[in-house]
Amino acid sequence: EAQVTQNPRYLITVTGKKLTVTCSQNMNHEYMSWYRQDPGLGLRQIYYSMNVEVTDKGDVPEGYKVSRKEKRNFPLILESPSPNQTSLYFCASSLIGEPQHFGDGTRLSIL
Amino acid sequence: ILNVEQSPQSLHVQEGDSTNFTCSFPSSNFYALHWYRWETAKSPEALFVMTLNGDEKKKGRISATLNTKEGYSYLYIKGSQPEDSATYLCAPSGNSGGSNYKLTFGKGTLLTVNP
Repeated sequence: EAQVTQNPRYLITVTGKKLTVTCSQNMNHEYMSWYRQDPGLGLRQIYYSMNVEVTDKGDVPEGYKVSRKEKRNFPLILESPSPNQTSLYFCASSLIGEPQHFGDGTRLSIL
Repeated sequence: ILNVEQSPQSLHVQEGDSTNFTCSFPSSNFYALHWYRWETAKSPEALFVMTLNGDEKKKGRISATLNTKEGYSYLYIKGSQPEDSATYLCAPSGNSGGSNYKLTFGKGTLLTVNP
């Protein structure tokens, strides 16, 4: 089954404790992206990647890192999480120029 | 950051009504426009990607048009059903900041279809 898989689905953690949210797709898509969704602000793009070893900043990249060492994986790294990064996060993937397939979301709470 | 506006913010219609909503975006440096449907407690689901001025796309009872010269797209739903209740998001991409592939989402139009 074609899918985008995010892990974990839910996480409660504390300020400053490094965390990684994984994202994996099995559709051989070149394009992958991370978004955060906050009430009243809609979906905002954090980082995106056009292919292996090619990443670019979205509209809200501060406080996040990504890597694209393999085509199927695009982890989101929070080196020193802060409470303002509490949010619902979505990973998505697509062929270039095609509609994106979204994962089920990861709800992060940073205390 | 692109300025993307969707209107109305929310809409209530009766089952069987046809409805439409608007996505406005900067017409300069336009590359593509995405439409997504987002049901509560689920993840966004793709409807269309449109690139050409005058383009029209259709998926069942849902269709969309694109005007890149004036910077807007309309989404139409014919004969709305309760299962159409969702938030409809548009996301243009353009060559601002050096990339055609950076998406900026609007805040969406929340559609509620009453049986």
